[in-house]
Amino acid sequence: NAGVMQNPRHLVRRRGQEARLRCSPMKGHSHVYWYRQLPEEGLKFMVYLQKENIIDESGMPKERFSAEFPKEGPSILRIQQVVRGDSAAYFCASSQRQGREAWRKETQYFGPGTRLLVL
Amino acid sequence: SQQGEEDPQALSIQEGENATMNCSYKTSINNLQWYRQNSGRGLVHLILIRSNEREKHSGRLRVTLDTSKKSSSLLITASRAADTASYFCATYSGGGADGLTFGKGTHLIIQP
Repeated sequence: NAGVMQNPRHLVRRRGQEARLRCSPMKGHSHVYWYRQLPEEGLKFMVYLQKENIIDESGMPKERFSAEFPKEGPSILRIQQVVRGDSAAYFCASSQRQGREAWRKETQYFGPGTRLLVL
Repeated sequence: SQQGEEDPQALSIQEGENATMNCSYKTSINNLQWYRQNSGRGLVHLILIRSNEREKHSGRLRVTLDTSKKSSSLLITASRAADTASYFCATYSGGGADGLTFGKGTHLIIQP
């Protein structure tokens, strides 16, 4: 059973270019989360998506960042007009099911991450 | 301090000794999870403890949770060189906050 897959593993972009990060959740998982990790820091939640829906984007920067999880294919985190401060490791996680307070939270399984370097 | 803040920030011990890491958090939680991250790699889920649980074991790992003190501890017994990694606690609060909240982690070094 393949785990969460992310590609590319490393991405180098020049300032002003676009970065596209892809995440394929574990088989049977329909909930995807994106996190960003700055050097020597813990992970910071960015966005939570289900198929074709953004459920919670409270951690997403207001500009230049967008995420989608289409009916078919991987989830995409897109960063437009990258700046040096966007350099970080971006991790995707998936879980089997979610709910509000009435539900128990399931474990999130993380991918290997994409390390973005903006020159 | 941040939600899910680990203590100490760094810990170096001899192989075979026990390692204890602590985590404090601020808001009420549904569960607390511990993850391991090897240098430059992704996160590996270690253990999840729910808010109504006080202690949980998994192999050489023991996790405790004290919701009255809003704290958790991770104990690794009989440490091995392969345990060298950063360890993060992460909390889930629910109530519409869907992501996990991570601390900055404890960097554990096991000296052979």
